[in-house]
Amino acid sequence: AQSVTQLGSHVSVSEGALVLLRCNYSSSVPPYLFWYVQYPNQGLQLLLKYTTGATLVKGINGFEAEFKKSETSFHLTKPSAHMSDAAEYFCAVSSSRGTSYGKLTFGQGTILTVHP
Amino acid sequence: DAGITQSPRHKVTETGTPVTLRCHQTENHRYMYWYRQDPGHGLRLIHYSYGVKDTDKGEVSDGYSVSRSKTEDFLLTLESATSSQTSVYFCAISESNGGLRQPQHFGDGTRLSIL
Repeated sequence: AQSVTQLGSHVSVSEGALVLLRCNYSSSVPPYLFWYVQYPNQGLQLLLKYTTGATLVKGINGFEAEFKKSETSFHLTKPSAHMSDAAEYFCAVSSSRGTSYGKLTFGQGTILTVHP
Repeated sequence: DAGITQSPRHKVTETGTPVTLRCHQTENHRYMYWYRQDPGHGLRLIHYSYGVKDTDKGEVSDGYSVSRSKTEDFLLTLESATSSQTSVYFCAISESNGGLRQPQHFGDGTRLSIL
């Protein structure tokens, strides 16, 4: 079984401020972890992924996330927010093997608002 | 963008009517998925396919059926639509590379309203 919890359904930051979106996961086997972004009336776009190897992963648009096994977390950060970062962000988990391999379980999403 | 086309993009229908949503891909990917997106729930897997005529149920499959007769097309059918199936439906595709399942890429969604 696998699950994802995103802490905070809404996050608001000022332009130029640090962005931190929190994600905790549960998985009975080593997980694969993903962050997706969704702009209004669009599909989901992959920001970054963790499968194996380096625990700090860099994605598009200046975002990065760190896999912390001991904390079962995969928080998304960006040093300086831009107005164009305003969107909804989804954390997702997939098992690395077994019956849930390849199947994504999503968190409920976090809406990021960026103020001028 | 990955070559995924969902049709229709918007549909309004009445309770009890059958509805079919289509997902068409031009990437020749093996795996295809149907999700529904509802506020507060993120995306939830309805059904998925791991090849032509090979499908399986996801987390919220009740009231839905799927078919895949060709690699490029994955159909989602609501046999008798209910208001609880009002949602935004997303199709996704993925492939394996060296045994490692690649990330899923998503279509632009179908907004379905059932009155």
